[in-house]
Amino acid sequence: GAVVSQHPSRVICKSGTSVKIECRSLDFQATTMFWYRQFPKQSLMLMATSNEGSKATYEQGVEKDKFLINHASLTLSTLTVTSAHPEDSSFYICSASGSAGGDTDTQYFGPGTRLTVL
Amino acid sequence: RKEVEQDPGPFNVPEGATVAFNCTYSNSASQSFFWYRQDCRKEPKLLMSVYSSGNEDGRFTAQLNRASQYISLLIRDSKLSDSATYLCVVNPYNTDKLIFGTGTRLQVFP
Repeated sequence: GAVVSQHPSRVICKSGTSVKIECRSLDFQATTMFWYRQFPKQSLMLMATSNEGSKATYEQGVEKDKFLINHASLTLSTLTVTSAHPEDSSFYICSASGSAGGDTDTQYFGPGTRLTVL
Repeated sequence: RKEVEQDPGPFNVPEGATVAFNCTYSNSASQSFFWYRQDCRKEPKLLMSVYSSGNEDGRFTAQLNRASQYISLLIRDSKLSDSATYLCVVNPYNTDKLIFGTGTRLQVFP
């Protein structure tokens, strides 16, 4: 149990386009989802926290108008990178916490999405 | 000062060796501590939580020293499959946020 999927696993796009990444909890209800970004040889950095049905809370330095997060249901959150630029190229990972196995605190990570902006 | 600091390594050890990693954290009010493992270009996976009294899971032993604000991970009888980056993770504010260290890379060779 406690499986989180992400789609797509890899995306290459041109500068200026928008990219949507989906994060799904497959077998539990995710009351909270988290979006992280990881640059090469660096740690995971939390970008934002989203609770189902409410606006996401963004970390300092993360532009909410550039990284649009929607958490419309208990099993799906989306991250849209708007007007992507090469510096947005990174590994984007979501995680979810909720009712998996009765443990509401553990975060379960998706497999990540590797974004390359040309 | 970073919230969570780790020696990036790499630690290159032969199979069967014992290796230990340390991690320090800055917020003395931190409540929860974890070790995650991350393979190259993959997502992190929870290896073990770290409890105040120390805990063991097979070949892995985790310890917490609150007074010195450091966490350790000991791996005994290293296997080739242990090669990965080990991430020290702290929940510093007693919320659902996790703060990740940059990781310590381990390479086990035959």
